[in-house]
Amino acid sequence: QQQVKQSPQSLIVQKGGISIINCAYENTAFDYFPWYQQFPGKGPALLIAIRPDVSEKKEGRFTISFNKSAKQFSLHIMDSQPGDSATYFCAASKRGRGSTLGRLYFGRGTQLTVWP
Amino acid sequence: KAGVTQTPRYLIKTRGQQVTLSCSPISGHRSVSWYQQTPGQGLQFLFEYFSETQRNKGNFPGRFSGRQFSNSRSEMNVSTLELGDSALYLCASSFRVQETQYFGPGTRLLVL
Repeated sequence: QQQVKQSPQSLIVQKGGISIINCAYENTAFDYFPWYQQFPGKGPALLIAIRPDVSEKKEGRFTISFNKSAKQFSLHIMDSQPGDSATYFCAASKRGRGSTLGRLYFGRGTQLTVWP
Repeated sequence: KAGVTQTPRYLIKTRGQQVTLSCSPISGHRSVSWYQQTPGQGLQFLFEYFSETQRNKGNFPGRFSGRQFSNSRSEMNVSTLELGDSALYLCASSFRVQETQYFGPGTRLLVL
């Protein structure tokens, strides 16, 4: 059972446009939601992460929006650049009190292509 | 600070063989997790180690095993390789179990 569902599978955006990737989760115990960026031949790199006590977090051109009641979160990339072309993964884990586990549950990934 | 290193980077094996992959975490990190990445299944969790103890295990058969050494370096072993084991094996380290995980470049395993 896929604990984190991610869409779309692929996304093509023009340079300067906004890229939006959505994720949904089932387990209400999840309390940490990171996004990873992966370039070909490389391992995933942490991009930005959010906890459910805030509805939005912004770092530069990257913003996470979080909707706890809908169990959904999304990544917005403003002013998308060709260098942003990569695969993006959302993930979730339970880090709260009582948990001693760090396992990440990943979405299936979104391949983003930004055309110049 | 050096990142997570994984060796070897590429490996070709034949069915039935076994393989050992190595991961050196970021200096000071004591938690190591392993993930398998395939086009069909995406990123799937294999194991999690902290202070030489396996804390968590994913839904993989017993052919997949791992261990962590006192210096936090970790190895994973796959015995009796199958074609479906062809994948990118990623190691991630964190200072403690519940902290941000930093991934290595992975070991790409091809089973023929």
